[in-house]
Amino acid sequence: EAQVTQNPRYLITVTGKKLTVTCSQNMNHEYMSWYRQDPGLGLRQIYYSMNVEVTDKGDVPEGYKVSRKEKRNFPLILESPSPNQTSLYFCASSSGTSGRSNEQFFGPGTRLTVL
Amino acid sequence: GESVGLHLPTLSVQEGDNSIINCAYSNSASDYFIWYKQESGKGPQFIIDIRSNMDKRQGQRVTVLLNKTVKHLSLQIAATQPGDSAVYFCAENIEADGLTFGKGTHLIIQP
Repeated sequence: EAQVTQNPRYLITVTGKKLTVTCSQNMNHEYMSWYRQDPGLGLRQIYYSMNVEVTDKGDVPEGYKVSRKEKRNFPLILESPSPNQTSLYFCASSSGTSGRSNEQFFGPGTRLTVL
Repeated sequence: GESVGLHLPTLSVQEGDNSIINCAYSNSASDYFIWYKQESGKGPQFIIDIRSNMDKRQGQRVTVLLNKTVKHLSLQIAATQPGDSAVYFCAENIEADGLTFGKGTHLIIQP
């Protein structure tokens, strides 16, 4: 089954404790992206990647890192999480190199709470 | 910055009626638009897309209309069903950039 998976689905952590949210897709997509979703603000792009070893900042990259060592994986790293990073995070992938495709797939989401 | 928005945060329609969800965008350079549906507890799901060289595109029970003159995008859902209840987002894309999403409209279906 074609899908985007994220882990963990739920995470409660404390300020400053490094964490990684994994994202994996099995569709051989080139483009992958991370978003955060907050009430009243909609979905905002954090980082995106058009291909292996190519990553770019989105609209709200501060406090986040990503890597794209393999085509299928695009982990989101919070080196020192803070409470304002409490949010719902979505990973997405598509076959287009800039997200332009009718094959847009989103993961199920990771709900992160930073205390 | 936010260049895509929606006119109404909530839209309530009777089951069986047609729904029209609107979206305004401000960046005239945007040339690709997508509508997503997000059900409670799930990630956004692609519904339909349209490129700027078109003004209308139809899918199954859905139609997207694009008016570039007034920078307006709409999603029409025919014969609305209970399963259509969700938050609907429009998103715009400029070549080589990522997607910019609107804040979403919550579609509520009344029996």
